[in-house]
Amino acid sequence: DVKVTQSSRYLVKRTGEKVFLECVQDMDHENMFWYRQDPGLGLRLIYFSYDVKMKEKGDIPEGYSVSREKKERFSLILESASTNQTSMYLCASSFKLGAGTYEQYFGPGTRLTVT
Amino acid sequence: RKEVEQDPGPFNVPEGATVAFNCTYSNSASQSFFWYRQDCRKEPKLLMSVYSSGNEDGRFTAQLNRASQYISLLIRDSKLSDSATYLCVVTYGQNFVFGPGTRLSVLP
Repeated sequence: DVKVTQSSRYLVKRTGEKVFLECVQDMDHENMFWYRQDPGLGLRLIYFSYDVKMKEKGDIPEGYSVSREKKERFSLILESASTNQTSMYLCASSFKLGAGTYEQYFGPGTRLTVT
Repeated sequence: RKEVEQDPGPFNVPEGATVAFNCTYSNSASQSFFWYRQDCRKEPKLLMSVYSSGNEDGRFTAQLNRASQYISLLIRDSKLSDSATYLCVVTYGQNFVFGPGTRLSVLP
């Protein structure tokens, strides 16, 4: 059974704080993703990584950075949290099923509130 | 135009009803297709993959029409526990593109 875990389910931070969100997967998946989900906007991709130390910007990378030092761990960093970063953050990992076909699994999410 | 579009919903149906969700996608290079289910304040969970030949899993049937770039999900004999948001997902390469979701409420 695929397991993706996130370090916190709920987090409250103050404006300007540096925030670290951690994600770990135990299935040796190559690819890992960070999304945020907001009402009416759906899931939006922030960053993804297809290998250790590799990263690619998604649709909304501004205000975020990521780190992937080990295959199983993908961290999302908010350098200076702002109130518009209050959201549900979802980590996911994916693996290759076959030619050009991938399957993706999500962690339980971190609900971040920035005050 | 959004890459993946779904019925806006919400759908409110009585227990036992049959309900169909529709999804269209714009990228003809899309390779894989899925339906995910997301319960309130929880993460999306893979419900089923969608194949051109159609596939069925119990009360759930998924269909793909590549020529029309259209995906559907049919739920028969709906249960209260089917209440959730259903997300249509298409991929090209390693990119996953999610639709906005359609919310279903099954009423007693």
